[in-house]
Amino acid sequence: QLQLQESGPGLVKPSETLSLTCTVSGGSISSSSYYWGWIRQPPGKGLEWIGSIYYSGSTYYNPSLKSRVTISVDTSKNQFSLKLSSVTAADTAVYYCARALGSTVVTHNWFDPWGQGTLVTVSS
Amino acid sequence: DIQLTQSPSFLSASVGDRVTITCRASQGISSYLAWYQQKPGKAPKLLIYAASTLQSGVPSRFSGSGSGTEFTLTISSLQPEDFATYYCQQLNSYPPSFGPGTKVDIK
Repeated sequence: QLQLQESGPGLVKPSETLSLTCTVSGGSISSSSYYWGWIRQPPGKGLEWIGSIYYSGSTYYNPSLKSRVTISVDTSKNQFSLKLSSVTAADTAVYYCARALGSTVVTHNWFDPWGQGTLVTVSS
Repeated sequence: DIQLTQSPSFLSASVGDRVTITCRASQGISSYLAWYQQKPGKAPKLLIYAASTLQSGVPSRFSGSGSGTEFTLTISSLQPEDFATYYCQQLNSYPPSFGPGTKVDIK
């Protein structure tokens, strides 16, 4: 059974870079034609897609965050990572990683399963 | 960008009730829609994809329908474990986006 687990600092200072890693277990991150995505949810609010990475390394980002986001994959560790630079309080959220499946077209993918999520607070 | 609206934003219902949630897209998205259930403090769980295909393991009391700009999620007989927030997601256009959610609470 595929499982995903987010890890990283729970507190980041304003203007610094948020860094999270998603570790995939129960399957290989590079063995199938899946995308792997990051989604966030500010406290008490809705869901926002941050971006996705294809198993081959191609990346796709939400235009609203594109200038600050980098997603990468480390197949040797079965992990993919998120970096979000120049964070502000508006970036405070629960960050989820998830497998995206359904199509080779990045948008035509639903997310399943999801990691449990990790709360990142931006504060000095 | 495609905007999704959900109605109602909140509904109060009793165990055994039939519940219908509507998701509307600002432009046609064919059948590229998914539904998720989220319980407090938990990650979203996929219920339905391609507008009407039930994800494996999801009870058959959940069903989805629609295409184009209007979609519905129906719970045929609400169970205690179904009290949660439900989100739709459009999968048609870049960037993929989610609806604002519908919270289903106990009457």
